[in-house]
Amino acid sequence: GNSVTQMEGPVTLSEEAFLTINCTYTATGYPSLFWYVQYPGEGLQLLLKATKADDKGSNKGFEATYRKETTSFHLEKGSVQVSDSAVYFCALSERGGGFKTIFGAGTRLFVKA
Amino acid sequence: DTAVSQTPKYLVTQMGNDKSIKCEQNLGHDTMYWYKQDSKKFLKIMFSYNNKELIINETVPNRFSPKSPDKAHLNLHINSLELGDSAVYFCASSQGSGSPDTQYFGPGTRLTVL
Repeated sequence: GNSVTQMEGPVTLSEEAFLTINCTYTATGYPSLFWYVQYPGEGLQLLLKATKADDKGSNKGFEATYRKETTSFHLEKGSVQVSDSAVYFCALSERGGGFKTIFGAGTRLFVKA
Repeated sequence: DTAVSQTPKYLVTQMGNDKSIKCEQNLGHDTMYWYKQDSKKFLKIMFSYNNKELIINETVPNRFSPKSPDKAHLNLHINSLELGDSAVYFCASSQGSGSPDTQYFGPGTRLTVL
């Protein structure tokens, strides 16, 4: 079946460091891809998305590009802040009786001042 | 204005009890979901409703019964609670089932079964 694999955390960085969180997927069709972020004690919220190959999603300095040839959607940010500390989820949305979203296991990011 | 709200935020109960969690969305969305997040943050879909009709029903024990009285509400009733039911339960909604939509999540209900 379809699946999402993302790098295990936690990832610990100093403020202003470069961030990459790897995400790869397995899908039979052409899914949409998402990154969601979960801040402590809160629900998930959409960070960015891409709906077709070569699309780049971006928001709040974060970027990810839908790479069909490598089935990847890696999340990057050039300079992280303490406020970026959260759990990041890569997800794909596939058709399956409506559209079902499959989430990766989440990657916890800690940013130190 | 809260887009997706859940009550209660915390629920502590004994094994064997029956409990309900309520969810409401004021976004005018057609589709609502229940997810379970375990202690390792793994998120798993349980159910999805579109316009009050069940469209996704994952392999969930039949002690869990969702109910959608209208498209703005999706409640979750759990019978005979077990220790393994302890988790955070998230409600979410999205605009429709015709395309892969962004999901809007509630704040979660932390269920602890003693």
